[in-house]
Amino acid sequence: QQQVKQSPQSLIVQKGGIPIINCAYENTAFDYFPWYQQFPGKGPALLIAIRPDVSEKKEGRFTISFNKSAKQFSLHIMDSQPGDSATYFCAASRSGRGKLIFGQGTELSVKP
Amino acid sequence: DAGITQSPRHKVTETGTPVTLRCHQTENHRYMYWYRQDPGHGLRLIHYSYGVKDTDKGEVSDGYSVSRSKTEDFLLTLESATSSQTSVYFCAISDRRGQGETQYFGPGTRLLVL
Repeated sequence: QQQVKQSPQSLIVQKGGIPIINCAYENTAFDYFPWYQQFPGKGPALLIAIRPDVSEKKEGRFTISFNKSAKQFSLHIMDSQPGDSATYFCAASRSGRGKLIFGQGTELSVKP
Repeated sequence: DAGITQSPRHKVTETGTPVTLRCHQTENHRYMYWYRQDPGHGLRLIHYSYGVKDTDKGEVSDGYSVSRSKTEDFLLTLESATSSQTSVYFCAISDRRGQGETQYFGPGTRLLVL
């Protein structure tokens, strides 16, 4: 069974803090690693994604760090804001297969 | 929600009854997916479609069937609903199956099976 393991399950930080969410995968054939953000009552939406040929990708306050040898990747949110409070999912897929394997999700709460 | 609608948005049904959920897209995307979301399990793929009348099973397909007779519609049917199928169901679409594909999700259907 291909799996993506995500931690922590929940996370509380103060405004301005840097929450970090970690994911680990098993299948070395995975070559696309997106992060999705989901607000209550809404569907998930793509936040940022990375491919294994780079070790880091930044988009605004969001950064993905990727460690191919450890089969791990993580999401960092710089200068977190209360509006970042949401559930975050990591995922992985293999080119041409079209199926995303999702992690279990992390519920982030940013306190003002 | 990228031109994706799901209906109904909420449904309460009884064990043993059939239930059909509909996903409708206006993006003309080829690929469509049905997921269920449960606490502690993230999003799990139920079934997906590569095109009209072309579907395949995901990781949690038991008890579910799908049909796609038109590009824009993807139906998920619970033939005989069980309490374990109480969940939030999301439809997703994408326009290509390759490296770096983005899936766009609908607003979800909350299903309660009593």
